[in-house]
Formats: sequence, C-alpha cells, structure tokens
Amino acid sequence: QVQLVESGGGVVQPGRSLRLSCAGSGFIFSSNDMHWVRQPPGKGLEWVAMISYDGSSKHYADSVKGRFTISRDNSKNTLYVQINSLRDEDTAVYYCAKKGTGVGHFLDSWGQGTLVTVSS
Amino acid sequence: EVVMTQSPATLSVSPGERATLSCRASQSVSSNLAWYQDKSGQAPRLLVYAASTRATGVPARFSGSGSGTEFTLTISSLQSEDFAVYYCQQYNNWPLTFGGGTKVEIK
Repeated sequence: QVQLVESGGGVVQPGRSLRLSCAGSGFIFSSNDMHWVRQPPGKGLEWVAMISYDGSSKHYADSVKGRFTISRDNSKNTLYVQINSLRDEDTAVYYCAKKGTGVGHFLDSWGQGTLVTVSS
Repeated sequence: EVVMTQSPATLSVSPGERATLSCRASQSVSSNLAWYQDKSGQAPRLLVYAASTRATGVPARFSGSGSGTEFTLTISSLQSEDFAVYYCQQYNNWPLTFGGGTKVEIK
C-alpha cells in the first residue's frame, strides 16, 4: 500500500529557512508526479507545488513562487520542498501527495502532514 | 487562476438523509474536477475524480456529477463517518486550485 511520510516541520522564526521531506513507499516513486499541499490551522487546502516524475517539470502557486523550491531524489524515494524567507502566513500543515493514476493532476494518496509554525 | 467556489459553507444533515454539495468554477474546467474528504487529524481522502469517477474503495453512496463550471457531490444516505469537510479541486489549469470547503455537520 502507498505510504507517504512527511518530516522536517517545527517552529521556525520569520525570515529563516526550512526543508521538508516526504518519504514514499509502496509504489514506484520514480514513475509518479508528486505534489505539496498545505493547510493553515482551521482553514482550507492550498495547493503549493508539483514536480514531475523525473524532476524536469515544476509548477508553483503564485503565493510561494520565488521562495519555495520543490525537488526530489528518486534514488532515495524522497520528495522535498525548500522554504526560504518564512512568513507568518506559511504556518500550516504541509502534506505531500501523489498524482493519481489517470489523466490529470488529482491526488490519490496523501501523507499525514508535518506542521510548520512560523513564530518569533 | 481558476477560482473554485463551494456552497454552502456548512450543511446540517441528519444521518440517513441526502446531502448535496456544490462547486462552481470561475471558468470551464471541463471534467477535470476532484472531490476530497477531510477529517480532522487525518490525511485528506480522494473521493471522486474526472467529475464523476469514484476512487478505489469509495462507497457507492458518494456520487459526483457536472462539467464545465458547475459540479455536484451527492451523498445519498449520510453515515456517521461521513460528517467531515469536503473540498473540490480543479486540475484543468495551473495553478491547481481548491474550493473553500463545505462542512457537513450533524443536524
């Protein structure tokens, strides 16, 4: 069964950087496009970024463009997102998710998420 | 970007009753629309994709319909485990966008 496990969250000061990781198992990680989605406390889901199976294509939400960098290491079955210049509004649970089998970017498997709290 | 608007924000339904959730796109997204169930403390769960195709393991009481700009998720007979927040998401255009969610609560 598909398993996605995020890590790297915590309390971080504004302006600092953080890298989140997501370890995938139970599927062929190197064949699947992957996504990050975040959810601020008590609020809705916000799509953040996508990386293609081989890392050749990336897309970002406008709200994070220039500060977030999505990447992957297929030899380690791991997805990353580097977050720079953290802001209060980046406080959220960050989920990694796998693109569904089929046409288009719906998300058929999600991790449990890792909480990032931006606070001084 | 495509703005997704869900209504109502909160839906109060008795167990066993039907729930109808709406999702509207600011421009056509064809049938590139998914629905998710979100329970507090759990990972979101894919329910429907391609507007009307149930994901693996999703009970038949969940059904999706619509195309273009108007979509509906229907839960035919609410069970206790169905009380949750539901989100629609379009994947016709980048950036991907979610609706604001509909909370289905016990009446």
